[in-house]
Amino acid sequence: DQQVKQNSPSLSVQEGRISILNCDYTNSMFDYFLWYKKYPAEGPTFLISISSIKDKNEDGRFTVFLNKSAKHLSLHIVPSQPGDSAVYFCAASALTNNAGNMLTFGGGTRLMVKP
Amino acid sequence: DVKVTQSSRYLVKRTGEKVFLECVQDMDHENMFWYRQDPGLGLRLIYFSYDVKMKEKGDIPEGYSVSREKKERFSLILESASTNQTSMYLCASSSSREQYFGPGTRLTVT
Repeated sequence: DQQVKQNSPSLSVQEGRISILNCDYTNSMFDYFLWYKKYPAEGPTFLISISSIKDKNEDGRFTVFLNKSAKHLSLHIVPSQPGDSAVYFCAASALTNNAGNMLTFGGGTRLMVKP
Repeated sequence: DVKVTQSSRYLVKRTGEKVFLECVQDMDHENMFWYRQDPGLGLRLIYFSYDVKMKEKGDIPEGYSVSREKKERFSLILESASTNQTSMYLCASSSSREQYFGPGTRLTVT
């Protein structure tokens, strides 16, 4: 039973446009959410996070939105650049699970930004 | 800058071999993790450790064991490698919710 789901395995976007990556979760105990970016043959790198007490967090071109009632979060990249082409993983954690140190990951979405 | 290093980037082993994957972090983090990444399945937790000599099973511990004798080092052991253990193995460390990952080891078992 996947507690964190990324229903789109891939997404293709034109350079300069907005990329929207989506993530759904089922566990209502999750209180912290993260996005990681992964290039081929490299480990994931942390991108941005959001606590459940917020509904939006912004860092430069990256914004994460959280809709707790829908158990849904999304990552917006504006404007998209070819260097953003990578696999993006959504992850969630709950304070009740080893003090929040455990992450549950989604299956990933491959983003391709076309020049 | 946090640095997590893994002993090998690519490894090819034969079925039945004992395989050691090593991970070292330089940030004095209490927590260390081993994941495997397979297409469409995301990252699945094999084992994690929250202190020296302490370990807990993750979601898919079968066929694996771990060792943490020093705070900075966390080893993953495949006692008898099988072809279904062909995967990308990722090590991570953390002192809070954000985990820092190593570059990964692509293991192929033939």
